[in-house]
Amino acid sequence: EVQLVESGGGLVQPGRSLRLSCVASGFPFDKYAMHWVRLVPGKGLEWVAGISWGSTNINYADSVKGRFTVSRDDAKNSLYLQMHSLTADDTASYHCAKALDMLTLTCPFDVWGRGTSVTVSS
Amino acid sequence: EIVMTQSPATLSVSPGERATLSCRTSQNVATNLAWYQQKPGQAPRLLIFGASVRATGIPSRFTGAGSGTEFTLVISGLQSEDFAVYYCQQYNYWPPWTFGQGTKVEVK
Repeated sequence: EVQLVESGGGLVQPGRSLRLSCVASGFPFDKYAMHWVRLVPGKGLEWVAGISWGSTNINYADSVKGRFTVSRDDAKNSLYLQMHSLTADDTASYHCAKALDMLTLTCPFDVWGRGTSVTVSS
Repeated sequence: EIVMTQSPATLSVSPGERATLSCRTSQNVATNLAWYQQKPGQAPRLLIFGASVRATGIPSRFTGAGSGTEFTLVISGLQSEDFAVYYCQQYNYWPPWTFGQGTKVEVK
């Protein structure tokens, strides 16, 4: 079964950092682009960051550029999101998502994790 | 950045009826358009990609159509499990991979 499981969320003060993880199983992880998407309360889905197979193409939403870093460890079938300088606007459920097709970025996301909740508040 | 506009924001429909959701993109995205279903506490679910191709395991009551800048998702014979929020997403011009603001389908 193809599965994605996120962890690392929690309550954090403004300005602090947090690192999210996503463990994948059931598919050749190193052949697929992976993404982080957040579900913002009252606002909907927002794509946050994406990383290609081989980590050669990495992209960020303008809202997180310079503060968040996405990475992957193919040996561990894991995706990460390092978040710095967090603000209340980063409060959301963070989901990792798998690209539908192998070796391409021009495709939708066919498998999603259930998410890990991040709350930024003092 | 491609701007996605979904309408209506909320759609009230009785079980068994048909729901028609719309999505408009600010530029031509060909058929690189997907639809997702989101329920509280659950992972988003891919319903449609390529504007009209049903994803694996998606029932035939979900039908996607359109190309260019105008797209629709029709849910025929709404069932109780279909009441949810639906998002469209374009993946033609990236980054970013952009989503619409969502349409909530609620029980009338």
